Amino acid sequence: EDQVTQSPEALRLQEGESSSLNCSYTVSGLRGLFWYRQDPGKGPEFLFTLYSAGEEKEKERLKATLTKKESFLHITAPKPEDSATYLCAVQAVSGGNTGKLIFGQGTTLQVKP
Amino acid sequence: EAGVTQSPTHLIKTRGQQATLRCSPISGHTSVYWYQQALGLGLQFLLWYDEGEERNRGNFPPRFSGRQFPNYSSELNVNALELEDSALYLCASSLSTTLYQPQHFGDGTRLSIL
Repeated sequence: EDQVTQSPEALRLQEGESSSLNCSYTVSGLRGLFWYRQDPGKGPEFLFTLYSAGEEKEKERLKATLTKKESFLHITAPKPEDSATYLCAVQAVSGGNTGKLIFGQGTTLQVKP
Repeated sequence: EAGVTQSPTHLIKTRGQQATLRCSPISGHTSVYWYQQALGLGLQFLLWYDEGEERNRGNFPPRFSGRQFPNYSSELNVNALELEDSALYLCASSLSTTLYQPQHFGDGTRLSIL
């Protein structure tokens, strides 16, 4: 069964304290891995797409990487405005999975000033 | 560029009633997806529409249905509402699934069943 697991569930950082969020996946035929940010009461906001192992994407203080089994979202020198829930999702091509994103449970990040 | 818009923002219904949720995709996007985000369960895939056709559905009962209109907007209908249907319903759109484009989400409709 296709599955996505994120860790940790919650993370508290001091402003400027860098860290990484993990997304482990088991799917039959990965076609894309997506990172989203979700603020309370809002829909997920798209951050990155990664398609193949070894790929990396960067945006401001965020950097996403991908291996054959997991992805990391590295946060460098975070600020309080980076506080949010970060969601990882995969899209696989196997049977009825076309079009469907399989989401992890998310990591809730709190950055204290 | 306007994002995905959903209406209404909040919807309160009682058990057994029917609910209709609406979604307008980003201009130029032809694929629309529906997800349910219930407390503690994460986002669960409901339905995918492309070019007016239902292409895939998740593991939900038939009382969850929808359609896509010629202008690519979509509506989700939930019949015979049950208490466990209380959730945030999110709509997303994308350019084309065959190219595995990212899905862009609206802010959802909060459905509460009393």
